[in-house]
Amino acid sequence: SQTIHQWPATLVQPVGSPLSLECTVEGTSNPNLYWYRQAAGRGLQLLFYSVGIGQISSEVPQNLSASRPQDRQFILSSKKLLLSDSGFYLCAWSVRRQDTQYFGPGTRLTVL
Amino acid sequence: AQKVTQAQTEISVVEKEDVTLDCVYETRDTTYYLFWYKQPPSGELVFLIRRNSFDEQNEISGRYSWNFQKSTSSFNFTITASQVVDSAVYFCALSEARGNKLTFGTGTQLKVEL
Repeated sequence: SQTIHQWPATLVQPVGSPLSLECTVEGTSNPNLYWYRQAAGRGLQLLFYSVGIGQISSEVPQNLSASRPQDRQFILSSKKLLLSDSGFYLCAWSVRRQDTQYFGPGTRLTVL
Repeated sequence: AQKVTQAQTEISVVEKEDVTLDCVYETRDTTYYLFWYKQPPSGELVFLIRRNSFDEQNEISGRYSWNFQKSTSSFNFTITASQVVDSAVYFCALSEARGNKLTFGTGTQLKVEL
């Protein structure tokens, strides 16, 4: 069966510091991968998605970037965090573009 | 552009009551997919159901049931005989056939009390 992991689970970072969040999927090959952010107020916003290694599409221009160095690894990064980057970051995967997306446990990021 | 509206921000019920969570969507596509997810306090989104636009049959899974009506662009979710463990935020979401993303509603917080 497929599983999706995210780490760290919780992170507190100062403004201006770098960020690296990691997501890995097990039990499937060449998944579609997604990064979402959930800010206060509950709405989920798609940040990036990837259909293959090195292929990243950005949905919303912002202070973040994503990379997919391996088939089942998806990384969310920032060079300098802003207060507005605080939120709950969720990684998800699907087999194909229109298939169900399955979510990881999330990373709660607080920028102080 | 696609849009999902969950007008109920918060619902409180007493255990064993039935509760319906509303979802209304907008899309220009004729082929699309609708989803419901549950987000318990732990934060992880748990997939509940997926429906494609050509399948209007209602579905029942245990205490859960879903009513899909294309005529009113609605995909409502009913929990029968609610339990405290049903307390969570529930999200309705839409995906268009040509797109790559899920568009989520703002969620409905369900509180089930003893």
